[in-house]
Amino acid sequence: AQTVTQSQPEMSVQEAETVTLSCTYDTSESDYYLFWYKQPPSRQMILVIRQEAYKQQNATENRFSVNFQKAAKSFSLKISDSQLGDAAMYFCAYRPPGGYNKLIFGAGTRLAVHP
Amino acid sequence: DTAVSQTPKYLVTQMGNDKSIKCEQNLGHDTMYWYKQDSKKFLKIMFSYNNKELIINETVPNRFSPKSPDKAHLNLHINSLELGDSAVYFCASRTSGGTDTQYFGPGTRLTVL
Repeated sequence: AQTVTQSQPEMSVQEAETVTLSCTYDTSESDYYLFWYKQPPSRQMILVIRQEAYKQQNATENRFSVNFQKAAKSFSLKISDSQLGDAAMYFCAYRPPGGYNKLIFGAGTRLAVHP
Repeated sequence: DTAVSQTPKYLVTQMGNDKSIKCEQNLGHDTMYWYKQDSKKFLKIMFSYNNKELIINETVPNRFSPKSPDKAHLNLHINSLELGDSAVYFCASRTSGGTDTQYFGPGTRLTVL
């Protein structure tokens, strides 16, 4: 079964510092997509970043970047220069090939940002 | 302009009642989804429709019935509500091909008393 594991239920970071959120997944597929979604207290699910498994280059979106290790099935999110607005739940998600693209989510990591 | 909208945002009801949640997307997407987020924040797929056809049904009790009148709308009707149905329900949509990104609605918090 395809599963996504986020081993850090909670993390905290000081404003302007860097934090890394971990995610591992289990799959026998070679072509798939990975995502990080952010859920602030407003509960809106906001896409942070996506990664195609066939791409070796790690995705980057402004202060957000990923470390994608395909062989290790690891997909961590690095947030640089953390801001108070980054405080939220962060969900890692795996999208298998075909299968009408359902997302399989991890349990989430709650990130607190301290001034 | 709202991309994916849901109504209502909050729904409080008694056990045994029947209720509906509506979802609309103006992105021109042809695939729509319902996800359930439980009290521990765990998100799980429930249903998916592609061009008004049901394509994913993830062992959800048959008290839950999705309906897609057109590809811009996906509604969720729940019969005989139970306490365990209390959750946040998210609608999402995606276009076939392209970026494979799902865009989520704001969620509907359902509370069953």
